[in-house]
Amino acid sequence: SQTIHQWPATLVQPVGSPLSLECTVEGTSNPNLYWYRQAAGRGLQLLFYSVGIGQISSEVPQNLSASRPQDRQFILSSKKLLLSDSGFYLCAWNPQGPYGYTFGSGTRLTVV
Amino acid sequence: SQELEQSPQSLIVQEGKNLTINCTSSKTLYGLYWYKQKYGEGLIFLMMLQKGGEEKSHEKITAKLDEKKQQSSLHITASQPSHAGIYLCGAGTGYSTLTFGKGTMLLVSP
Repeated sequence: SQTIHQWPATLVQPVGSPLSLECTVEGTSNPNLYWYRQAAGRGLQLLFYSVGIGQISSEVPQNLSASRPQDRQFILSSKKLLLSDSGFYLCAWNPQGPYGYTFGSGTRLTVV
Repeated sequence: SQELEQSPQSLIVQEGKNLTINCTSSKTLYGLYWYKQKYGEGLIFLMMLQKGGEEKSHEKITAKLDEKKQQSSLHITASQPSHAGIYLCGAGTGYSTLTFGKGTMLLVSP
């Protein structure tokens, strides 16, 4: 079966520290992968998406970066966190095509 | 860019009552997705509507797509505490990417 794993579930990091969030998908190959951020009052914001290994598209320029080192692995990173990076980060995937997303369980990031 | 506006932003209904959530797009809708989210958790796919006039139901939840109005509605019949959560609509914007509304928070009181 197809599953998506995202970790950690909760993270508290000081300002200026690095960040690495990982997302992996099982049971499929060559999925489209996405990182979204959900902040209070702002809804879901698409940050990055990837259609293949090493292919990253950025939707919003900011303090974050993404990488896809393997077919089913998507990583969200930052070299130096800002307070404004706090939020709920969600990874999602779908097969090639426009038919719905499957979301991970999310990571609650608090930058202090 | 396409924007989705959901109304109402929040809703409190008494258990057993019916309710409707609306999602209006700034551009033509070619596909509309409804998701449900419990606080602090990921999104759960509810339904996808692709054609104007299409209507789908799952248990007590019904969604409709009105292409002319660029709008979709989500209707819950005889609400239950299990229906509580945040409902989000999403629409395709580009290469398999979705944009989402800000969500409607539903609380069901006993």
